[in-house]
Amino acid sequence: GESVGLHLPTLSVQEGDNSIINCAYSNSASDYFIWYKQESGKGPQFIIDIRSNMDKRQGQRVTVLLNKTVKHLSLQIAATQPGDSAVYFCAESGSDYKLSFGAGTTVTVRA
Amino acid sequence: NAGVTQTPKFQVLKTGQSMTLQCAQDMNHNSMYWYRQDPGMGLRLIYYSASEGTTDKGEVPNGYNVSRLNKREFSLRLESAAPSQTSVYFCASSELIGGPYEQYFGPGTRLTVT
Repeated sequence: GESVGLHLPTLSVQEGDNSIINCAYSNSASDYFIWYKQESGKGPQFIIDIRSNMDKRQGQRVTVLLNKTVKHLSLQIAATQPGDSAVYFCAESGSDYKLSFGAGTTVTVRA
Repeated sequence: NAGVTQTPKFQVLKTGQSMTLQCAQDMNHNSMYWYRQDPGMGLRLIYYSASEGTTDKGEVPNGYNVSRLNKREFSLRLESAAPSQTSVYFCASSELIGGPYEQYFGPGTRLTVT
């Protein structure tokens, strides 16, 4: 079946730098995409979402970019802080409204 | 407003034992979901309930049953636990009508089957 995946399993970032987390998806029928943050021992927490009729959406310190041509999704975190250390998951949904999750990228922020 | 709550937080079972994981949400969401998360992997959908009175299989339903007790509660039952069911189980809820929309997750149940 089609799936969502992330390019890199780990990312190490200097505190204060910007982080970019990438995600590739293969289902061209997907029309909803979402990023979650999961801290150790906790459930996933919603960060930001985007629908296929948009190519960019901004939140507080985060930006999601969607490139439907190459089926690529990215999450940018500005001025990364120690509290941003976590596992980040992208997920996609099509007409059945079910979310399919990638394997996750572990972000470690260096002081 | 507690969001999504799950009980228990931890559980150890012997092979062949049964148990029910409980989930409740207070956000008046129509849809509820059960996922499992294995080490180093994303979440995989076990079962979901698009609305009260309906349930459907997800990606990995074998060995599990569910009950949508009412709009608030959605339980997951393991009839005869197996070591392969050792995992962290997450319940989630969302509004679906006109959706999809973000899913809100509970804190998880860590299950070990020996």
